[in-house]
Amino acid sequence: DAKTTQPTSMDCAEGRAANLPCNHSTISGNEYVYWYRQIHSQGPQYIIHGLKNNETNEMASLIITEDRKSSTLILPHATLRDTAVYYCIVRVREKTSYDKVIFGPGTSLSVIP
Amino acid sequence: GAVVSQHPSWVICKSGTSVKIECRSLDFQATTMFWYRQFPKQSLMLMATSNEGSKATYEQGVEKDKFLINHASLTLSTLTVTSAHPEDSSFYICSATGRGGRSYEQFFGPGTRLTVL
Repeated sequence: DAKTTQPTSMDCAEGRAANLPCNHSTISGNEYVYWYRQIHSQGPQYIIHGLKNNETNEMASLIITEDRKSSTLILPHATLRDTAVYYCIVRVREKTSYDKVIFGPGTSLSVIP
Repeated sequence: GAVVSQHPSWVICKSGTSVKIECRSLDFQATTMFWYRQFPKQSLMLMATSNEGSKATYEQGVEKDKFLINHASLTLSTLTVTSAHPEDSSFYICSATGRGGRSYEQFFGPGTRLTVL
């Protein structure tokens, strides 16, 4: 079973920041927060992951609360091409072991012109 | 990131025939591969996990005799849908993970659209 809860859908105006929330209140100490997205009829695309510190890359920023029970994915300047389903996943990530990725329903983000 | 390919990208077949889908890791050794299925407007559902050289582990409710998985090498896994029926029409996605560096991550293929007439 997925260990996260996300809103079913969200809208965002083009050019504005898209903030996608995720609750993972039962996260364990060795579980990372991962974000993937899936554009229609394509395979999932990795976006970002983090353990407890905030993370930023060329695609997005990940803000994790201090208690690690929730996080927010931020797309700083959403474009129409960011319209997709966004999946928040928690999984173990260690040097010699890993959890398989189990997808929940995700958040369907629509970027509106 | 690492590249995972799938072939074919789409396939149409007649009911009762078998269809084979290939999943390849192009630039790393995939010790484990995963097969997912996705119906329209639904999330990805994990079907099975396969480790190179051993039998696949199927998720509950997935028929192992219908969905044959072979992971004979560190770069190739195949999913064969046997005696396909229209209800098997779906988007099939594989992913792979390996060992060493970023290979511990799970990388996804582009998917294969199967339509059974």
